[in-house]
Amino acid sequence: DTEVTQTPKHLVMGMTNKKSLKCEQHMGHRAMYWYKQKAKKPPELMFVYSYEKLSINESVPSRFSPECPNSSLLNLHLHALQPEDSALYLCASSQEVTRPGELFFGEGSRLTVL
Amino acid sequence: TQLLEQSPQFLSIQEGENLTVYCNSSSVFSSLQWYRQEPGEGPVLLVTVVTGGEVKKLKRLTFQFGDARKDSSLHITAAQPGDTGLYLCAGDRDKIIFGKGTRLHILP
Repeated sequence: DTEVTQTPKHLVMGMTNKKSLKCEQHMGHRAMYWYKQKAKKPPELMFVYSYEKLSINESVPSRFSPECPNSSLLNLHLHALQPEDSALYLCASSQEVTRPGELFFGEGSRLTVL
Repeated sequence: TQLLEQSPQFLSIQEGENLTVYCNSSSVFSSLQWYRQEPGEGPVLLVTVVTGGEVKKLKRLTFQFGDARKDSSLHITAAQPGDTGLYLCAGDRDKIIFGKGTRLHILP
């Protein structure tokens, strides 16, 4: 069982909808990440939070808005998405940003934008 | 520019055979990780290698880190259908760099 929990597992939304993806970890990790993964591709980094502060934004469009309410929770707010944003969205955590190699991933949220 | 090159991209072999997949770079990494990902799920960390020349074993899987810390290999002995999946290597250079992965299919 993964120690990083993501909800929902599947999400279908229209281009005018507003939805959120949620991620929770209870391993005491101080760094949390959002990745986007298209079919047959490796994960692409979107955002990194370190000690609840945004430390890396990989030039992600503003229709994706991350939020880190506390050290255990990470949200990704979605608004006015495009069909090409359909993908598997993965949350991950690591002990520290300075030891990023060992990532613990959730099972992902499969997003379909109609 | 792809910092981490994985080969082969695809591999389909019979159950019981041995195989090796590779992760190569011209850059030095402070550590390399190998992950396995099954369809519709997140990647699962298999191993971290840190020291040049290091060899780690995980049951039938043997991981090696190159002496110069630029490359790594994963050898699977007597492959089983449960080994099927996408194998990703990732390097640690300030931020994590993923290779494109090797898609492995073990035929029963």
